[in-house]
Amino acid sequence: EAGVVQSPRYKIIEKKQPVAFWCNPISGHNTLYWYRQNLGQGPELLIRYENEEAVDDSQLPKDRFSAERLKGVDSTLKIQPAELGDSAVYLCASSLTSGPSTSYNSPLHFGNGTRLTVT
Amino acid sequence: AQSVAQPEDQVNVAEGNPLTVKCTYSVSGNPYLFWYVQYPNRGLQFLLKYITGDNLVKGSYGFEAEFNKSQTSFHLKKPSALVSDSALYFCAVSFSSGSARQLTFGSGTQLTVLP
Repeated sequence: EAGVVQSPRYKIIEKKQPVAFWCNPISGHNTLYWYRQNLGQGPELLIRYENEEAVDDSQLPKDRFSAERLKGVDSTLKIQPAELGDSAVYLCASSLTSGPSTSYNSPLHFGNGTRLTVT
Repeated sequence: AQSVAQPEDQVNVAEGNPLTVKCTYSVSGNPYLFWYVQYPNRGLQFLLKYITGDNLVKGSYGFEAEFNKSQTSFHLKKPSALVSDSALYFCAVSFSSGSARQLTFGSGTQLTVLP
C-alpha cells in the first residue's frame, strides 16, 4: 500500500511569510494527525482529525496556524505569518480508528515530513 | 501529569552485542505503550506495541520490549545489534483523557551500533 505522502519535503521562507503543507493519508484511514517535531525532541501533536472533524486542536496555535481536511481525505496545514520559532519538521500521520475511545490503539503511519526553515 | 521519559539521549553498542533502550512512564489507568524508530530525514516507523496480555512483546526487525507494571517501564531490547539498527528511537504512551485517549512521545534516544 502507498504510504502517507507529504509535500513539500523542504521549505525555506522569510519570517512573516505564509506557508502551507499538504498531506495525503493512507487510503481508508479515517484519522489524520499533524505533528511538529523540533530538533532533538519527540513529535508534539498539533491537531487530530477524525474524518473531516477536528477532534483535538488544543495544541494548535490558532492565532497563526490553521488546518483543514475537506472531504475527510487529504489535509493542509497553514502558517500565516511564520515566525523564526516555527522552524521544525512538520509530520503528518494517519491511522484507522473506530472512535475516540480507540484513538491511538492502532499504530500511526507517518509521512517523511516537511522540514521548514524560517529565516 | 501523564508523561514518558527516555533517560538516555545516546546509547552506543558494539555490533553483535545485546542492546537496551530505556523507557519509563507515568500515567494513571492502563497505558498503551509503543516504540517507533526514525531514520534520518524520514518519518517515524512503528516497531511494536503493548496493549494487554503477555508482558513480552515482539515486534519488527527482531526487536522486543517488556512491559513492567511495578517499575512502570517498557524497555526496548534486541539480542544482537546490527549496524543498520542505528537510528533514533521513540517511546510513546497512550492514556485515557475523558472519553478519548491521548498519545505522548518521549524525547528520543539515539542508538549507534558500532561495527
